[in-house]
Amino acid sequence: AQTVTQSQPEMSVQEAETVTLSCTYDTSESNYYLFWYKQPPSRQMILVIRQEAYKQQNATENRFSVNFQKAAKSFSLKISDSQLGDTAMYFCAFRYSGGGADGLTFGKGTHLIIQP
Amino acid sequence: GAVVSQHPSWVICKSGTSVKIECRSLDFQATTMFWYRQFPKQSLMLMATSNEGSKATYEQGVEKDKFLINHASLTLSTLTVTSAHPEDSSFYICSARPLESYGYTFGSGTRLTVV
Repeated sequence: AQTVTQSQPEMSVQEAETVTLSCTYDTSESNYYLFWYKQPPSRQMILVIRQEAYKQQNATENRFSVNFQKAAKSFSLKISDSQLGDTAMYFCAFRYSGGGADGLTFGKGTHLIIQP
Repeated sequence: GAVVSQHPSWVICKSGTSVKIECRSLDFQATTMFWYRQFPKQSLMLMATSNEGSKATYEQGVEKDKFLINHASLTLSTLTVTSAHPEDSSFYICSARPLESYGYTFGSGTRLTVV
């Protein structure tokens, strides 16, 4: 079974700064997907960014980018030019891609606070 | 984009009663849906995988007789918490994945309080 570890329970940065959230995972599989989800106070889960394990190029979505290190099983999220609306819980998640319909395995989350 | 609707958004019920939560995929068909549980300030834990037209698959430690799942159509899955107890109070979230995507869409969640 896979596990996802987020070692930063909470982080706080000033608006416009860059912040990096860490995530490591453990799996014996070689084909999988990794995700970062944002959960604001409304508790609606919002997909931030996703990465296929077979792709070497790091995924980027506007101000959000990842540093995917497959050998190290690391998947960190970088948020550039942080905004007040980025304040939320951020969850790293893993999904096996070997077929079927496996659910997501989530890390414990990082509470990100953007200070004005 | 893919939308998943979940109802009710919150419910209060008495101990011993049952409560049903609905999860609908509004603009896509979902042969599989997923039910998660989230305790306050904690992560989402997968409870079960709901399969259209067949039995749900439950994660280890989840009581299938307490958390009844029905997936009778390609757009609707229901979770029924039977004989609810205060310890069942939690936030329940469903999700589904469009066939053409490997990403998941989540419902807005249901806050269940058992008194």
